[in-house]
Amino acid sequence: KQEVTQIPAALSVPEGENLVLNCSFTDSAIYNLQWFRQDPGKGLTSLLLIQSSQREQTSGRLNASLDKSSGRSTLYIAASQPGDSATYLCAVSTTGYSTLTFGKGTMLLVSP
Amino acid sequence: KAGVTQTPRYLIKTRGQQVTLSCSPISGHRSVSWYQQTPGQGLQFLFEYFSETQRNKGNFPGRFSGRQFSNSRSEMNVSTLELGDSALYLCASSPFGTGELFFGEGSRLTVL
Repeated sequence: KQEVTQIPAALSVPEGENLVLNCSFTDSAIYNLQWFRQDPGKGLTSLLLIQSSQREQTSGRLNASLDKSSGRSTLYIAASQPGDSATYLCAVSTTGYSTLTFGKGTMLLVSP
Repeated sequence: KAGVTQTPRYLIKTRGQQVTLSCSPISGHRSVSWYQQTPGQGLQFLFEYFSETQRNKGNFPGRFSGRQFSNSRSEMNVSTLELGDSALYLCASSPFGTGELFFGEGSRLTVL
């Protein structure tokens, strides 16, 4: 059974810092990995999707990497801003369908 | 292009009642999946529909059911509500072949 762990559970940084969020999964036979952002009381916003054949994806200040063999992914946020404050969730798919296994998330607070 | 639309956004029910939640996917998306989010368990997969057929089902009791219509809109139903069913129910749609999920804002169910 696939299990996804995210470390740290919470993170507080001053504005402008570069930061890394970690995600690990137990079964390396994944189809893809997706990073989401969730604001309080809201739905999930897709940030980055990495297919199993890819090593990384970039979107603006965000960069996500994938190392299938070690069962790890990282989300790098450059020059953090208060608007980045949210919970970041990592999810993996082992089927290619819409059955995702989620981590519990990292709650990020960026202070001005 | 409109996003995933879920209705109602908020609802309060009492134990023993039943509830039906609705989801309209992004135009052109034929896959719709449902997730339950609670503080204790996080995000858990309920079921997925593709072209009106249930393609996968999570580990939830039979009180949880769903269906998809020919226009790809989906509904989920929970019968004989229990206090533990209080949660944010999220619907996601996915374009064919990408594995990328796009979520709605969710329906927050409170069971009293």
